[in-house]
Amino acid sequence: KAGVTQTPRYLIKTRGQQVTLSCSPISGHRSVSWYQQTPGQGLQFLFEYFSETQRNKGNFPGRFSGRQFSNSRSEMNVSTLELGDSALYLCASSPEGDQPQHFGDGTRLSIL
Amino acid sequence: GIQVEQSPPDLILQEGANSTLRCNFSDSVNNLQWFHQNPWGQLINLFYIPSGTKQNGRLSATTVATERYSLLYISSSQTTDSGVYFCALRYGQNFVFGPGTRLSVLP
Repeated sequence: KAGVTQTPRYLIKTRGQQVTLSCSPISGHRSVSWYQQTPGQGLQFLFEYFSETQRNKGNFPGRFSGRQFSNSRSEMNVSTLELGDSALYLCASSPEGDQPQHFGDGTRLSIL
Repeated sequence: GIQVEQSPPDLILQEGANSTLRCNFSDSVNNLQWFHQNPWGQLINLFYIPSGTKQNGRLSATTVATERYSLLYISSSQTTDSGVYFCALRYGQNFVFGPGTRLSVLP
């Protein structure tokens, strides 16, 4: 069974731009969560989607948004990029919310 | 919100040594996982262990939910065990990670 797939693996953007990251969960998994990892803040929860609905959201500004499609694939969008948005963005999937999460390899976003 | 602490923050071992990593949490949880993040940033599931004890090869984990802690044991460590070990738990609808233990295994 294929694992969680995140694209792209690496991305370089400049301040003020916007970016869209993609996550394809493990087949049959309906819950997709997004996390931001930075050296200073560690791993922080962004939001979780389940059956195309955002089920919960972490403490991030409205510039961070996401959506989930009917095939459970999810996208995360960050608008008006700031230098502090440079991070590793990780996506995880699970069959339901309260079950083991499986992570993708992440998208490393660099803001110049 | 819930507080998650991991100890020690850093650990250096010689190959072949054993170690115990600890995760303390401040409230009741119903979902706890241990992950290993390798030097390339990949997060690898080690255990899903809301309670009890599990073993997988040289690794084992124990969670005592009533006392709000979990332990990860690594025996006969290898250089490939190097990386950061995180415990993570579901608290309400959020999934909260501890700060991690950075393990370096020297040849």
